[in-house]
Amino acid sequence: QSALTQPPSVSGSPGQSVTISCTGTGGDVGTYDRFSWYQKAPGTAPKLILYKVSYRPSGVPDRFSGSKSGSTASLTISGLQAEDEGLYYCASYTSSSDRVFGTGTKVTV
Amino acid sequence: QVQLQESGPGLVKPSGTLSLTCTVAGGSITSSSWWSWVRQSPGQGLEWIGEIYHTGTTNYNPSLKSRITLSVDRSNNHFSLNLSSVTAADTAVYYCARNYYGLGIYYFDSWGQGTLVTDSS
Repeated sequence: QSALTQPPSVSGSPGQSVTISCTGTGGDVGTYDRFSWYQKAPGTAPKLILYKVSYRPSGVPDRFSGSKSGSTASLTISGLQAEDEGLYYCASYTSSSDRVFGTGTKVTV
Repeated sequence: QVQLQESGPGLVKPSGTLSLTCTVAGGSITSSSWWSWVRQSPGQGLEWIGEIYHTGTTNYNPSLKSRITLSVDRSNNHFSLNLSSVTAADTAVYYCARNYYGLGIYYFDSWGQGTLVTDSS
């Protein structure tokens, strides 16, 4: 069974940077550059903020950046703002097309 | 940007079947995307349920596979989820999403607003 593990929570002061890790285990879920990241506020749909590890959709601030090392992808939020508070999920998929979401990380500003 | 909208009953009887439909607007369901269902149970994270291609090909979460049926209606630009033998553990907000193919990978770029489905017990 494939899984993506994230830290339960991270916190930082306004203006600081925080980094969220996402480690893939089982199968090849963490092997390639298939990682994407989603921001989830209460009562709203998830919002795509990064895809293919580090690509930002239009409209997403460049304070959000991504990287990958081995089976671990990371999301960094620089210049933390109050509006960045919420839940963040990574996602990826296996070569057998199983889509997997990370366990989720709560960001507190 | 494509828009997605879930519809269906908000209450399901225990052991009954949950049925939801996702209508796609602003784009064709016959594009090179997969059409997915994702849910979030109270206090839990996101869980991928399954997805369907416009040809009818499906991928299912192995843990739910025995209870899921996905279908697609190309003429009406919508796709549907049936989840059988519902229990309290299936109470969740259900989202439909487009699993878009870009730069050689798939990612969920468009989401419906979500619909809460509750076990009526």
